[in-house]
Amino acid sequence: GAVVSQHPSWVICKSGTSVKIECRSLDFQATTMFWYRQFPKQSLMLMATSNEGSKATYEQGVEKDKFLINHASLTLSTLTVTSAHPEDSSFYICSAPQGANDQPQHFGDGTRLSIL
Amino acid sequence: EDQVTQSPEALRLQEGESSSLNCSYTVSGLRGLFWYRQDPGKGPEFLFTLYSAGEEKEKERLKATLTKKESFLHITAPKPEDSATYLCAVQAKRAGDYKLSFGAGTTVTVRA
Repeated sequence: GAVVSQHPSWVICKSGTSVKIECRSLDFQATTMFWYRQFPKQSLMLMATSNEGSKATYEQGVEKDKFLINHASLTLSTLTVTSAHPEDSSFYICSAPQGANDQPQHFGDGTRLSIL
Repeated sequence: EDQVTQSPEALRLQEGESSSLNCSYTVSGLRGLFWYRQDPGKGPEFLFTLYSAGEEKEKERLKATLTKKESFLHITAPKPEDSATYLCAVQAKRAGDYKLSFGAGTTVTVRA
């Protein structure tokens, strides 16, 4: 069964709205989680590394004020897309290693975000 | 910068027709190479981790191998349910850095 749960799976909202996406590790603790973005027919692009109890590490070119990450507990990381615009429409996926950080990352089923 | 190149982009197979997918990589010290399967609209599903050249892993009809420059995913006698996009990713051996760099994937379609 799934070891990483992501919610919601699908969201449509108006331009200017902020949207929060949750990523939960099930039955294990994750001090580190990862957030990816995937465009149609393209591969996963890492956006940021979420660290429990400290600031996230963002990849080059990713606006940290646009994509707010909070890793408040050992089983939950959230990604908030602030003041979303149509160009933010994408498939957002989170992952977490089950165990040490060099262990395989397990992925959630993604969130399809559509901004009208 | 870590680079991962997968080929071919797409592969159409007849049921039972075995084939191989390639993943070429450039990384400053490999911590691990990962294979995932992704179905449309879903997150990637973990298949294998390979850590050192010469290593092989098998799972049902899939077998992954690793050299110092590339990895192969062999699909033996595929079935329609093996249709998916197969992703390869590398993790570099850098202190405190555990992110994965993904290739663009190979989309496999198996016809009955």
